[in-house]
Amino acid sequence: GEDVEQSLFLSVREGDSSVINCTYTDSSSTYLYWYKQEPGAGLQLLTYIFSNMDMKQDQRLTVLLNKKDKHLSLRIADTQTGDSAIYFCAETSDRGSTLGRLYFGRGTQLTVWP
Amino acid sequence: GAVVSQHPSWVICKSGTSVKIECRSLDFQATTMFWYRQFPKQSLMLMATSNEGSKATYEQGVEKDKFLINHASLTLSTLTVTSAHPEDSSFYICSAILQGAYQPQHFGDGTRLSIL
Repeated sequence: GEDVEQSLFLSVREGDSSVINCTYTDSSSTYLYWYKQEPGAGLQLLTYIFSNMDMKQDQRLTVLLNKKDKHLSLRIADTQTGDSAIYFCAETSDRGSTLGRLYFGRGTQLTVWP
Repeated sequence: GAVVSQHPSWVICKSGTSVKIECRSLDFQATTMFWYRQFPKQSLMLMATSNEGSKATYEQGVEKDKFLINHASLTLSTLTVTSAHPEDSSFYICSAILQGAYQPQHFGDGTRLSIL
């Protein structure tokens, strides 16, 4: 199947690092994504990683991919109160007839305390 | 780049009304657009996939006569909720992808639909 699992909640103090974890089951996953959703808004693409990569860094964001364990993580350095939002992990593969279809996790609510 | 505009952002209307939601890719051509529904504190549920110039592909359990999708151009897809009822109240989000394999989906800001 295309199950994507995430923990539902994470709380951190401002200035600390946040690590949001995600696991998936589809061994044919090609790209994995992290999206951010603020209240009442759509999804903002944060970063994505191709399945043959182990790590991708973009400013405060670091994505780690363990393809063997089907585990993806998003690390946010120096977390700020503005980072409080829901973070969705998503994956896509070349399975099925719909190119580009995403399979989402349930989202992790990140709360940053001042 | 890759901006997707969704309109309107909020609709309140009476039961039985039909409501049209527009999704536009502003700075790129989108061969494929997706329509999602999101319930409070839940993930996105894919309703249908919309390809320019062809009929939309609906997910299992989504009524195609209830949720009409038109993708008439490479920059515009519309979702019409026909004869809306209170149970159709939800947050509807569209997304679009650039032409080409494995391009990331770019999302609109969503439409809050409230049926009285």
